[in-house]
Amino acid sequence: DAGVIQSPRHEVTEMGQEVTLRCKPISGHDYLFWYRQTMMRGLELLIYFNNNVPIDDSGMPEDRFSAKMPNASFSTLKIQPSEPRDSAVYFCASSSDYGTGNYGYTFGSGTRLTVV
Amino acid sequence: QKEVEQNSGPLSVPEGAIASLNCTYSDRVSQSFFWYRQYSGKSPELIMSIYSNGDKEDGRFTAQLNKASQYVSLLIRDSQPSDSATYLCAVNMVGYGGSQGNLIFGKGTKLSVKP
Repeated sequence: DAGVIQSPRHEVTEMGQEVTLRCKPISGHDYLFWYRQTMMRGLELLIYFNNNVPIDDSGMPEDRFSAKMPNASFSTLKIQPSEPRDSAVYFCASSSDYGTGNYGYTFGSGTRLTVV
Repeated sequence: QKEVEQNSGPLSVPEGAIASLNCTYSDRVSQSFFWYRQYSGKSPELIMSIYSNGDKEDGRFTAQLNKASQYVSLLIRDSQPSDSATYLCAVNMVGYGGSQGNLIFGKGTKLSVKP
């Protein structure tokens, strides 16, 4: 399996622009998570999906952030409009509830977002 | 507010020594505990999971869990320079119907193993 695939790896954008981050989870995994990592706050959960349905979006900072999962193999995280304080590494992770007893997550390589 | 606390470090140990990493958590009902390793500029990588009180060993790594004290630790024996990384403790919040919820991560402890 190719693992969790995220794109792009790096994104530099100007303040006010729309940014879309993409994620392909591991096939068969029914949970998908979006995290944001900064030095100050560490890894923060933004939103997670189970079977394509958003379960908890309480970590989404504000209305500028939105996430979708139109099917089991694709999810997007959109920021519109972007602000410099959104600069961070955004990770997507997937997991299965019925694995071999290991309920840990597999993370993608992350998208490093810089808003100037 | 459910929290996971770790010393940020850095923790510096000489090569061949035992590195001890500690983590406390606030949610008494948590059942699943994980240690992730994150190299600089890379994504977190799962290295250990533990679900029951006591010790769990995997190669040079030993995870220890004490639910009564809400404490989980990771021991790395015969530390190598390649173990130098940030170690993240993560605790699972049980979801609805007892299914997997989501992981709450500590901010991590930076480990440096000196040759």
